[in-house]
Amino acid sequence: NAGVTQTPKFQVLKTGQSMTLQCAQDMNHNSMYWYRQDPGMGLRLIYYSASEGTTDKGEVPNGYNVSRLNKREFSLRLESAAPSQTSVYFCASGPGGTSGNTIYFGEGSWLTVV
Amino acid sequence: AQSVSQHNHHVILSEAASLELGCNYSYGGTVNLFWYVQYPGQHLQLLLKYFSGDPLVKGIKGFEAEFIKSKFSFNLRKPSVQWSDTAEYFCAVRVTGGGNKLTFGTGTQLKVEL
Repeated sequence: NAGVTQTPKFQVLKTGQSMTLQCAQDMNHNSMYWYRQDPGMGLRLIYYSASEGTTDKGEVPNGYNVSRLNKREFSLRLESAAPSQTSVYFCASGPGGTSGNTIYFGEGSWLTVV
Repeated sequence: AQSVSQHNHHVILSEAASLELGCNYSYGGTVNLFWYVQYPGQHLQLLLKYFSGDPLVKGIKGFEAEFIKSKFSFNLRKPSVQWSDTAEYFCAVRVTGGGNKLTFGTGTQLKVEL
């Protein structure tokens, strides 16, 4: 049972390059999320998708775009990477709907922008 | 918007010492509360959660947390820590009806010394 799978796990980009982080979940969850984790700042929500076909901005959406490709997949795109986007990115998913449901996280993607 | 405060950023304890990590949130409505743990180099794992009922919740690995509504707090406790508890601990809150988004605190880095 894979849960939430993210790729790539590590990536180094040059400033201005673009890239897409892929995320897939096999738990039939409705909701998916992208967070970034920075030292001393905890996890901050970038974008989320409450259900297939919908996406909404989170706390720190600038410089990112997302696509909810289907129920399983939710990708995060950096169109023109900046050093400030150096971070660890976590995808997560949850059933959505009724309160109390747990959100499950992927193993993280370490991104460095030089 | 809701926010979560974790006042202890770094905690160092000896094995067998008792642990209490503080978590306060700011939101006057109904919330779900979570504690996640992140072991070095790993993804976030759920320790425990509260959504209703008994305000004292027990989680994995001997952890427990108490929801005190009047104090807007959800402190994490463990009577006797082990070296293997060395990790970063995150408190998170979800506002019911708020798109199932989790808002995280900035985390507490716990180091347990032998």
